[in-house]
Amino acid sequence: DVKVTQSSRYLVKRTGEKVFLECVQDMDHENMFWYRQDPGLGLRLIYFSYDVKMKEKGDIPEGYSVSREKKERFSLILESASTNQTSMYLCASSRTAITTQYFGPGTRLTVL
Amino acid sequence: AQSVTQLDSQVPVFEEAPVELRCNYSSSVSVYLFWYVQYPNQGLQLLLKYLSGSTLVESINGFEAEFNKSQTSFHLRKPSVHISDTAEYFCAVSPGSSGGYQKVTFGIGTKLQVIP
Repeated sequence: DVKVTQSSRYLVKRTGEKVFLECVQDMDHENMFWYRQDPGLGLRLIYFSYDVKMKEKGDIPEGYSVSREKKERFSLILESASTNQTSMYLCASSRTAITTQYFGPGTRLTVL
Repeated sequence: AQSVTQLDSQVPVFEEAPVELRCNYSSSVSVYLFWYVQYPNQGLQLLLKYLSGSTLVESINGFEAEFNKSQTSFHLRKPSVHISDTAEYFCAVSPGSSGGYQKVTFGIGTKLQVIP
């Protein structure tokens, strides 16, 4: 059974802290994605990666960076968390550009 | 640029009644279309997709959607809903090309509330 796991379900951080969100997939997928989900805005793509050490900006990359050192792991980094980054963060992976995206359960981040 | 419009943010419906969740898209090229479902406290999972061929696609749990190119729509329907269908449903579109990464654009979601 395919699986995407995220390191935390809930996370509370303070403004200015550096935050790491980890995502691991066990399907040997090439593509991995980070989205944020906000009420009334749906899913918005932050960054994606189509190969190890490769990354591309999505629609809202400002304030975020990513790292993909291994094929199965894709990390989202908030260098200096701000209150407007309070959100649900969803990681996903897919085998090719047009195949199904498999999502993790999400991390609900609160920045105080 | 492509976009997706989900016309209803919330849809309440009684159990065993039919339901239609509306989705319209805009794109200057051919498209692939998807419906994803998000149950409470879970990530999204694929419900069904249209890539090519028959314009009517079905899921294993009784949902179906029809690709209508002239109306640029991909509405989701179920003839009789169950309590377990209570969830948020997302329509998504990507360009219909297999070359390289093709961005998937998601709608804002429709919350289906099934009333006992």
